[in-house]
Amino acid sequence: AQSVTQLDSQVPVFEEAPVELRCNYSSSVSVYLFWYVQYPNQGLQLLLKYLSGSTLVKGINGFEAEFNKSQTSFHLRKPSVHISDTAEYFCAVRVNQAGTALIFGKGTTLSVSS
Amino acid sequence: EAGVAQSPRYKIIEKRQSVAFWCNPISGHATLYWYQQILGQGPKLLIQFQNNGVVDDSQLPKDRFSAERLKGVDSTLKIQPAKLEDSAVYLCASSSTRQGPNTEAFFGQGTRLTVV
Repeated sequence: AQSVTQLDSQVPVFEEAPVELRCNYSSSVSVYLFWYVQYPNQGLQLLLKYLSGSTLVKGINGFEAEFNKSQTSFHLRKPSVHISDTAEYFCAVRVNQAGTALIFGKGTTLSVSS
Repeated sequence: EAGVAQSPRYKIIEKRQSVAFWCNPISGHATLYWYQQILGQGPKLLIQFQNNGVVDDSQLPKDRFSAERLKGVDSTLKIQPAKLEDSAVYLCASSSTRQGPNTEAFFGQGTRLTVV
């Protein structure tokens, strides 16, 4: 079975500061890794995904994540955050088979203040 | 391309009442998922359909929850009778199998259920 642990439930930062949201996963088989963002009263929007290849993945809104197989981690980073980045962020894994469902972590609330 | 549509957006019911949620996936998407997202937690898969067949319903509380996707397109999720702990956002998502393992799941805006 697969599982996801998001190490921080809340991350407060000031505008223009860098941020890292941490995610560790557990799986006995190969998985794909995802980060989703959820704004208040909205559904989930895909930020980025790691399927294979380069371990550094770039996504939308200036976010990037690095896959580290030895540490089973997939941390999300942004060098300079904006107020508009305030949202809930979810790390998710999926077995690399067509039609399998996502398994989500509990989420990290990113709060950006001026 | 139209996204995943869900209705209603919000619903308040009393415990022991019944409620139904509707989802219209992206056109052509064979796979449909229902997730439950309790406040402060990540989404949890309730049921997954492939066309009109159930792929995984292992986490669906079958004594009170039911779901169907009769024609392989729209889906409804029903709760009867509702309990206080069913208060959550119910998210519908769909994906295409045509891209193989690389397929992405697209989410609707969700239905926020409050049971009082």
